[in-house]
Formats: sequence, C-alpha cells, structure tokens
Amino acid sequence: SQQGEEDPQALSIQEGENATMNCSYKTSINNLQWYRQNSGRGLVHLILIRSNEREKHSGRLRVTLDTSKKSSSLLITASRAADTASYFCATDRFQGAQKLVFGQGTRLTINP
Amino acid sequence: KAGVTQTPRYLIKTRGQQVTLSCSPISGHRSVSWYQQTPGQGLQFLFEYFSETQRNKGNFPGRFSGRQFSNSRSEMNVSTLELGDSALYLCASSSGPNTGELFFGEGSRLTVL
Repeated sequence: SQQGEEDPQALSIQEGENATMNCSYKTSINNLQWYRQNSGRGLVHLILIRSNEREKHSGRLRVTLDTSKKSSSLLITASRAADTASYFCATDRFQGAQKLVFGQGTRLTINP
Repeated sequence: KAGVTQTPRYLIKTRGQQVTLSCSPISGHRSVSWYQQTPGQGLQFLFEYFSETQRNKGNFPGRFSGRQFSNSRSEMNVSTLELGDSALYLCASSSGPNTGELFFGEGSRLTVL
C-alpha cells in the first residue's frame, strides 16, 4: 500500500506560473524525496529533505517539510513546458534503507 | 558516466511463462533496488541488494525473485506470469546503502497476454 498521498492528482497551469504539489505520509520518516517522471520513462531525482530540515531550495524548486503534520510541498517557480511530467514524493523510514515508499503522484501539465 | 541500463526495454510474454530482467548500475554503485509501477498500484518496492546480499524485500509473492552479481549487476525473475504482472519494472542504483538519492533506469515494460 502507498504511504504517500499527493494532491492534486492532476494540475494544469500556464507557462510562467508557479506550481505547488503536496504530499502527505503516514509514518515517521528519515528522509523525504521528490522525483520527476516523464511519460513512461525512468524517475529523476529532484531533491531530498531530511526529517530535521524544514525547507530546501534547488534552482526553481522549493521543498518544505512539516513532520508534525506529516506533509511536504514542492513548489516549482516560473514553470516551463519542459516541466510537464509526473511528480512523486517518496519517503524512507530508516537510515540506510533504500526501500522508498512512493505517493501516487501529481500529473503536471504546463500549457504554452 | 553511463547511467543505469535496463534490458530489455520492452517485452511481451504469455501467462505461465517466466521472464528475467537485467539491470546494470552506474559504475561504482553497489546498491541496486527494483520497483514495479502499475497504473493501479503505483510504484511499489520489490527488492534491495547491496554487495550481492538482499537487504530488503517488498510484499510480493515468491514468484518474484532477484539476485545481484559480484560486479553489482542485478537480475530479477518473475515465474508463472500472471496478467497482473504487466508493469513497468524500474531498477535504481546508488553508491551505497546510506545514500538517499536513487538513480533510475528507463525501465523494462512487461506486457503479459
């Protein structure tokens, strides 16, 4: 069963706008990561935030983590057509474990 | 540096057959994990290997098995295929078991008829 749930399931915005995706999880975690997947392809790692961190930035990406609410958000600023993809959050519970539990993903469409 | 390579990329099998999928991790990476992706269940963890040892196994029946070789290459096998085994099988590697980021291959898309 999936630990993470993401919302919205689908998001369609205009190029240049910001996109925000949310992820909730059920158990305590070690790390939370975000991955991107272009249609039918492999996953690409975007950013990792540790359980003792609250916010992290990488280029146009901003991730927040609220462990008290067991939730995270991914903000993509100034979206581009190339950002069109599915975005997944993934959590791992124990240090050293590669057993990631993925959410169902948000399908993001950027309209030109 | 070459990425994670999975073969074959696409394959079609019939119910009852077996299939072996191969994964070559990034050079120097010793940890390999496998995931199954389906529209209904999403991404689900199958196995994790480090230095030829299975460190973790997901909640899949015994028909799903895997192994890792001394050169870190990994294979997974599914026996007695069922229609529900149709999925994208993704392999991921990392430099070690304590690193969070996984590097994924493009996947092997299995269709069971």
